[in-house]
Amino acid sequence: KAGVTQTPRYLIKTRGQQVTLSCSPISGHRSVSWYQQTPGQGLQFLFEYFSETQRNKGNFPGRFSGRQFSNSRSEMNVSTLELGDSALYLCASSLDQTGRTEAFFGQGTRLTVV
Amino acid sequence: GENVEQHPSTLSVQEGDSAVIKCTYSDSASNYFPWYKQELGKRPQLIIDIRSNVGEKKDQRIAVTLNKTAKHFSLHITETQPEDSAVYFCAAITGFQKLVFGTGTRLLVSP
Repeated sequence: KAGVTQTPRYLIKTRGQQVTLSCSPISGHRSVSWYQQTPGQGLQFLFEYFSETQRNKGNFPGRFSGRQFSNSRSEMNVSTLELGDSALYLCASSLDQTGRTEAFFGQGTRLTVV
Repeated sequence: GENVEQHPSTLSVQEGDSAVIKCTYSDSASNYFPWYKQELGKRPQLIIDIRSNVGEKKDQRIAVTLNKTAKHFSLHITETQPEDSAVYFCAAITGFQKLVFGTGTRLLVSP
């Protein structure tokens, strides 16, 4: 069974640009969550999608958005990039609701904003 | 909102010693507490979890304890080995079903 796949693995963008990250969950998993990981800040929750609906949202500005498709694949978009957006972005998929079933992480997309 | 505090931020032990990492949470509705291990350059992976209806769970050299009254939970690793060196994250599910993580503990096990 394939694991959680995130693309691309690395990205370099300039300030003001926008970026789209992709996450393909484990086959059959319907919940996808996104996290931002920076040194010293741990894993900050961005949002969670289940069956194409955003169920939960973290405390990030509106520049961060996401969506989920009917095949459960999810995308995350960041507009008007800032230097502080440089981070490792991780997605995690779970069969149902995280907490009821285990969450599996992808390898992450490392975004560098210059 | 839900907050999870984790201590210590770094922990150095000698091989064979025990290591303990502690976390506290704020949302009394939290009912699921997983622990993840993240090796350098790799994804976080679940190593053990506990639900609020039990007080302790063990899996070989690792164990987790939960004190719901005090709202804290701990990870215990016995007979540590160099391959246990990694960053460990605790987490808690909030009443709104968000998985909130602690800031991580960097464990270094010296041979």
